[in-house]
Amino acid sequence: KQEVTQIPAALSVPEGENLVLNCSFTDSAIYNLQWFRQDPGKGLTSLLLIQSSQREQTSGRLNASLDKSSGRSTLYIAASQPGDSATYLCAVIYGGATNKLIFGTGTLLAVQP
Amino acid sequence: EAGVAQSPRYKIIEKRQSVAFWCNPISGHATLYWYQQILGQGPKLLIQFQNNGVVDDSQLPKDRFSAERLKGVDSTLKIQPAKLEDSAVYLCASRQVKDTQYFGPGTRLTVL
Repeated sequence: KQEVTQIPAALSVPEGENLVLNCSFTDSAIYNLQWFRQDPGKGLTSLLLIQSSQREQTSGRLNASLDKSSGRSTLYIAASQPGDSATYLCAVIYGGATNKLIFGTGTLLAVQP
Repeated sequence: EAGVAQSPRYKIIEKRQSVAFWCNPISGHATLYWYQQILGQGPKLLIQFQNNGVVDDSQLPKDRFSAERLKGVDSTLKIQPAKLEDSAVYLCASRQVKDTQYFGPGTRLTVL
């Protein structure tokens, strides 16, 4: 069964701190892995997409890594800001043609000013 | 470019009633997805359309849920009759070939 787990479920940090969100998946035959951000009352916004042949992707203060062999991905957020407060979802993609996303349960992040 | 539109944004119904949600994807996106997100969980795919054909509906509770995408553009998702456990946010997403999925704001359904 294809399952995605995210740890921690919730995280509260002071502004300026660097932090790491974790994602693990049971089936390593993934096509891609994607990190999303979800704000209350809004849809999902794609942050980073890592192809299975890649080890990491970077966008601004965000860096995502992928280790297929161990079934793990991490999202690193540098110098966190209150505006980073949101739920972060990890999704694995199996099958390039259908682009089917299997989501984790998310990490609720609160960055305190 | 306009994003994925969904309506209504909120809906409250009694159990055993019927409800319908509407989604308008980004122009030109052939693939459309409906997801169910229960509070505290990640979104779960209900159904995927390619143009107006169904690609994957393996997790759609077909005894009460139905979806259609007439003319390969707009889509509706219907629940009849609703149960308490159907309370969730229903998300619509669309995608072009070899691109990421773009999500709408969702419809929050409360079943009393």
